[in-house]
Amino acid sequence: SQKIEQNSEALNIQEGKTATLTCNYTNYSPAYLQWYRQDPGRGPVFLLLIRENEKEKRKERLKVTFDTTLKQSLFHITASQPADSATYLCALVSNAGNMLTFGGGTRLMVKP
Amino acid sequence: DADVTQTPRNRITKTGKRIMLECSQTKGHDRMYWYRQDPGLGLRLIYYSFDVKDINKGEISDGYSVSRQAQAKFSLSLESAIPNQTALYFCATSDSGQGARGYGYTFGSGTRLTVV
Repeated sequence: SQKIEQNSEALNIQEGKTATLTCNYTNYSPAYLQWYRQDPGRGPVFLLLIRENEKEKRKERLKVTFDTTLKQSLFHITASQPADSATYLCALVSNAGNMLTFGGGTRLMVKP
Repeated sequence: DADVTQTPRNRITKTGKRIMLECSQTKGHDRMYWYRQDPGLGLRLIYYSFDVKDINKGEISDGYSVSRQAQAKFSLSLESAIPNQTALYFCATSDSGQGARGYGYTFGSGTRLTVV
């Protein structure tokens, strides 16, 4: 069966450090992968999209990598700030379909 | 005004009642989606619509129905609500070329539904 797995345990880091979140998938042939941020009681907000033929994408302090051999994406936040504390969701669109399927999300806590 | 507006924001209803959740958008997107979010289970797709005349079931459509009244409006109905439909419901929109152009979905702020 198809699965998108993110670490369900919260990630706690110190302000200024780099946060790295992992997204692993099985039985997908993703056309592209997206990362979203979700704050409590709010809807997810789109951050970055990376296509299957791209290895890395950057946006300000954010960096996403995509390894289709390992079936894994890494999401990095450099120089993390307490305001970065949120749940981060990865999502895939497969080549077979047009819908976005989400992982369960990882909660990030950045401590001052 | 928000790009994607969901009403109501919160709702408590009784088992067996019919309830409608509404979604409207000003993005001009052709595609609309309803997702449900439960703790630990992430977002799961209930129904989606690629245009006014195209409606499709998602992963968990049983117990739900939808109506696409216009390009900008997509409503979700629970015909006879049951307690395990207690969840956070999100409407989202996209256009048909969003992936190719590097854009993601736009979500509403959600409706918190409690069925007692």
